[in-house]
Amino acid sequence: DTAVSQTPKYLVTQMGNDKSIKCEQNLGHDTMYWYKQDSKKFLKIMFSYNNKELIINETVPNRFSPKSPDKAHLNLHINSLELGDSAVYFCASSQVGTGNLGSNQPQHFGDGTRLSIL
Amino acid sequence: GENVEQHPSTLSVQEGDSAVIKCTYSDSASNYFPWYKQELGKRPQLIIDIRSNVGEKKDQRIAVTLNKTAKHFSLHITETQPEDSAVYFCAASIRTTGNQFYFGTGTSLTVIP
Repeated sequence: DTAVSQTPKYLVTQMGNDKSIKCEQNLGHDTMYWYKQDSKKFLKIMFSYNNKELIINETVPNRFSPKSPDKAHLNLHINSLELGDSAVYFCASSQVGTGNLGSNQPQHFGDGTRLSIL
Repeated sequence: GENVEQHPSTLSVQEGDSAVIKCTYSDSASNYFPWYKQELGKRPQLIIDIRSNVGEKKDQRIAVTLNKTAKHFSLHITETQPEDSAVYFCAASIRTTGNQFYFGTGTSLTVIP
């Protein structure tokens, strides 16, 4: 039973197209994230949502638009795809702990979506 | 904001030797430090974590140490095996509205049989 699932696993498309990646988590977590991992392997945070509210929006082109219909889903829509968008996109989720010190919980990652722009 | 630096970027060790990866962070509000292992073509997976009220944690061949005063934490892998070969990421987390995680740039570890 996959905890964080992303679809599709692979996405090959032409420059200029619009595409979406879907993410769902069944862990009951409050917070969901999108990361971009390029060929250099760095995990770059793109967006973070907590209970459907946008928390982090890093310097990401406005061609990227996240949507969180409920706290179990965080989808990513990309308009006018460019060659530089080729990367692996990871969705993740975590639970915000209650209480004070030591309450953070780790992130759980999906299997990634490998986006290739032709 | 938080800045996490990770060293080295690549590390090669002989099978059976130890490997150490070091990270530093800048924000004293960070209070949770997970380590992730990412095998080729796979997702990052948590291997060990440490909270700011603890100085050291061990799980079989892996251990993590934290020095809050110096703002650095390290991953130690003993008796390395070829299956330890992967990219390792450290992260620092600040508990605010939603967890914010700040990742290091990764260390590619190769264990030579």
